[in-house]
Amino acid sequence: RKEVEQDPGPFNVPEGATVAFNCTYSNSASQSFFWYRQDCRKEPKLLMSVYSSGNEDGRFTAQLNRASQYISLLIRDSKLSDSATYLCVVNDEGRDDKIIFGKGTRLHILP
Amino acid sequence: GAGVSQSPRYKVAKRGQDVALRCDPISGHVSLFWYQQALGQGPEFLTYFQNEAQLDKSGLPSDRFFAERPEGSVSTLKIQRTQQEDSAVYLCASSLPGRGQNSPLHFGNGTRLTVT
Repeated sequence: RKEVEQDPGPFNVPEGATVAFNCTYSNSASQSFFWYRQDCRKEPKLLMSVYSSGNEDGRFTAQLNRASQYISLLIRDSKLSDSATYLCVVNDEGRDDKIIFGKGTRLHILP
Repeated sequence: GAGVSQSPRYKVAKRGQDVALRCDPISGHVSLFWYQQALGQGPEFLTYFQNEAQLDKSGLPSDRFFAERPEGSVSTLKIQRTQQEDSAVYLCASSLPGRGQNSPLHFGNGTRLTVT
């Protein structure tokens, strides 16, 4: 089983719709979780951290389910500018802070 | 600028040539990571430094890959006898000391390596 798994997509979603995707991780001892966004031919950039109680940043909501070992990202009222690849990131602090990326989920917002 | 700086931005190497990729992290960032990203894939972990100590090099694909950070600041990733499968974007990232939610990664623009 891969350490961090994501549905690669692409998710083709009309503008204004709500879209959600999940990410599963294999190491139950993982402590820190993030969502990064990567635009084509650009470097990844932090979108948001994921807290145990769930957290929201504008149109974006992140949640963590430790029992099932997955995190989720929900985007409401999607914009054309949300088109990107969303990378799930897990910090395996039990292994000297090794930070593992998923392969990413591609999102296309359609006009 | 105050971000992570990588050079060169693009590198074309002939198969068998050695290459050296440089990363200048954000000042004060203790942790430094190297990742390899192939087209259409997520970044794959290569190696990790805390100051000058290389704590994890389990992701280096072969002994042709070598990374160093001798003074705990600038890091160099060296690839010897490059092969076509080495063609990828090599991303460097740094983060503050500590763990968890306060230590997100800050990435450089990457070096796109093409081996012909």
